[in-house]
Amino acid sequence: NAGVTQTPKFQVLKTGQSMTLQCAQDMNHNSMYWYRQDPGMGLRLIYYSASEGTTDKGEVPNGYNVSRLNKREFSLRLESAAPSQTSVYFCASSSDRGYEQYFGPGTRLTVT
Amino acid sequence: GNSVTQMEGPVTLSEEAFLTINCTYTATGYPSLFWYVQYPGEGLQLLLKATKADDKGSNKGFEATYRKETTSFHLEKGSVQVSDSAVYFCALSDRNEASGSRLTFGEGTQLTVNP
Repeated sequence: NAGVTQTPKFQVLKTGQSMTLQCAQDMNHNSMYWYRQDPGMGLRLIYYSASEGTTDKGEVPNGYNVSRLNKREFSLRLESAAPSQTSVYFCASSSDRGYEQYFGPGTRLTVT
Repeated sequence: GNSVTQMEGPVTLSEEAFLTINCTYTATGYPSLFWYVQYPGEGLQLLLKATKADDKGSNKGFEATYRKETTSFHLEKGSVQVSDSAVYFCALSDRNEASGSRLTFGEGTQLTVNP
């Protein structure tokens, strides 16, 4: 039981490049989330998916897109990376029966 | 909207000292409250939770009590260890069917415990 997995762990992009961050969970959770973590600002919600087939904007969605590929997988795409998107990105999931979220190990992204 | 405010850090303690990290919240309705811990280079792990007023969450010697009258959920530990050095996040969940279990986080408090 791997929980929540994320790939890649580290990535360096040049301004304007695109990339997709992958996330998968094996806990049969309905809801999945993408956060970014910046120093002194805690975690901020980018997008979430309350169930397969639905996605909604969070607090800071600009510059990102998401795809809920199936119940297990939820990807985050940066179409044209900017230095302001340098951050650590976390994926999380939660079940319908519990309130807590379970987090992946994170992806450290640097945009130069 | 919902918000969570944590005491400013960083906090530096000696081993076996008493720890308190303050957390207050603003929310509509009756949220669930959480403390998450993040060790260096890792993701967040759930430390403890409380789902209703006067509940006490506890784990690994840490405790926090859901105080509705003061809208607080302060984290305490009687005797900290070097291995407790980490960043601690207070969070609340405003759960509904449309949005799942959305979490609102505080800014995080860096704890360093010296031997």
